[in-house]
This record gives sequence, structure tokens and C-alpha cells, in this order.
Amino acid sequence: GIQVEQSPPDLILQEGANSTLRCNFSDSVNNLQWFHQNPWGQLINLFYIPSGTKQNGRLSATTVATERYSLLYISSSQTTDSGVYFCAATNTGFQKLVFGTGTRLLVSP
Amino acid sequence: EADIYQTPRYLVIGTGKKITLECSQTMGHDKMYWYQQDPGMELHLIHYSYGVNSTEKGDLSSESTVSRIRTEHFPLTLESARPSHTSQYLCASSTDGFSNYGYTFGSGTRLTVV
Repeated sequence: GIQVEQSPPDLILQEGANSTLRCNFSDSVNNLQWFHQNPWGQLINLFYIPSGTKQNGRLSATTVATERYSLLYISSSQTTDSGVYFCAATNTGFQKLVFGTGTRLLVSP
Repeated sequence: EADIYQTPRYLVIGTGKKITLECSQTMGHDKMYWYQQDPGMELHLIHYSYGVNSTEKGDLSSESTVSRIRTEHFPLTLESARPSHTSQYLCASSTDGFSNYGYTFGSGTRLTVV
């Protein structure tokens, strides 16, 4: 099955800094999503982005499907951005997502 | 407001007890999933459902079972809980359409078996 790898595993930022999180996947995908898990464990869907670029406020994401990677950009980071960011992908007709191991982000004031 | 609900939020139970984790969604999604997550680790799919009366095992072997008698309800049952079942269990649902809001997670159940 598809493999999903994320980097870096941990990231510490000062409030206001920018960051880039990377997701590599081993095969072509028909569904790739980015999620944020807050410190209370709730998973929030950030982007559905099997290809192309999307932006939502301070967050944006780009997937280069031909090179099998996706990037999540966080600009002007805030303490509320802390948590774990997961990339998940699938290449099956059914939406069984395979999750990466996550990037743990801590934004300090 | 359309949403997905999991109960209980936290559960501490003794070894050998039978437990059922509840998951319900009000969005009319046909597909539902159960993921297992150890603290700070990735999520692993343990069960999924295409629709009513359809259930399949996921990529991670689990001693739990599921049922899908109604579209909105997808409970997970452990017949005899063991300490190795201690984990967080997350329920999710999605539609056929591949949209940004098609995949929604519940708040999870943190299970501790003592």
C-alpha cells in the first residue's frame, strides 16, 4: 500500500515566524489531505489537495503530484497553531486514508 | 449543525469488561471509519463501512467489532477489554464527493483498560 512520510518530526517556532511542513508519498494519489490535531486531540481537516495549490488565511498548501510531495505553509504563526499536523493520502477508490507520522509544532509566545 | 459525535469522551474500565464506543453523524455520509491512535503517534484504520450492513476490517488488526445498521450510527464493541486496548479511538465519516469538507472526525474516545 501507499507510504506517507512527513518531515520534520518536530518543530519549535517563535510566534510570528513562518514554517514549511513536508509530506512525501510513495505512489500516485487520488486523495491527499492535511489535518491539524489540537492539544485536546480533535482533528480538523485543513485542506483536500491531491494536486495544485490552495490557501486559507495564513495557511496554504501545494501538492506536486508528479513528484509525489505536498507542502503545508504556515505564515505568521500563532500559539494556537500548536499541535500535530498530519498528512494523509489514498490511491484507492474508497477513501481509506493512510496517515503519516505527523509534525509536532510548538509555537511559543 | 451537521456534525459527528463520539461518546464517551473518556472511559476507564477493568480488564474483561465488554464496552461499546458510540459514534453518530448527522451529515448523511455513507462512509464511516474507526481509527486507533496511540498518544503522539499516527492514526491506523481498524474498521470502515461503505454503508448500511457493510463493514470491513482496516489495515491494523483489531479485536474489536463494528456494526452499521443505520446510516448515522457506527458503534465499535470490545467483547473483553484488555490493557493492550488502551488507546484513543477516533470515528470519522466522508461522502462520495472528494471535497475539502468531506472527511470529518469526531472528538475521540480515550480508553484506558486497567
